[in-house]
Amino acid sequence: ETGVTQSPTHLIKTRGQQVTLRCSSQSGHNTVSWYQQALGQGPQFIFQYYREEENGRGNFPPRFSGLQFPNYSSELNVNALELDDSALYLCASGWDRGITGELFFGEGSRLTVL
Amino acid sequence: SQKIEQNSEALNIQEGKTATLTCNYTNYSPAYLQWYRQDPGRGPVFLLLIRENEKEKRKERLKVTFDTTLKQSLFHITASQPADSATYLCALGLNNNNDMRFGAGTRLTVKP
Repeated sequence: ETGVTQSPTHLIKTRGQQVTLRCSSQSGHNTVSWYQQALGQGPQFIFQYYREEENGRGNFPPRFSGLQFPNYSSELNVNALELDDSALYLCASGWDRGITGELFFGEGSRLTVL
Repeated sequence: SQKIEQNSEALNIQEGKTATLTCNYTNYSPAYLQWYRQDPGRGPVFLLLIRENEKEKRKERLKVTFDTTLKQSLFHITASQPADSATYLCALGLNNNNDMRFGAGTRLTVKP
């Protein structure tokens, strides 16, 4: 158990809709990152939040947005869903400039867009 | 363009043998490199980290090497067991803020 929980575990949306995914980080962690993992691929970095501000972003369009709250919980919002957004969305928490750089992943939210 | 390539999609070995997985990268300058294990339907689990100024790291039956000249990391599992069967992901740490870039993974199957 990593102490990182995500909800919902599975959901189905239709093209054009909006979705919000939630993550609760492990206690004491001050960074949270979101990754998209398509079937058979490695996780792709979406963005990271540190102290409630975006602190790095991968190659994802602005319709992917996020929030980090003072209690280090986090949300990933995706607007105008497309079929290619179907994937496992992973949240990972860690320490800023931690000695190990280890990321603690949740079990993910599997999104299907029809 | 930037690439992270893991040697093969799947690797099958016999129990007791050493599994060797490869991670090659192009047009990245990672400050460190990590290896993760991922089981089906689960999130990745951290195994080992090696920094750019380190050649080798060990943890129990696991060993990782990092050659910044070859731009390659090797991940070894000695005395492999069926329970080691999983997908193994390498990830490059680009800076100190946990911005990790992952390879596609290698699916390891250890047969009894």
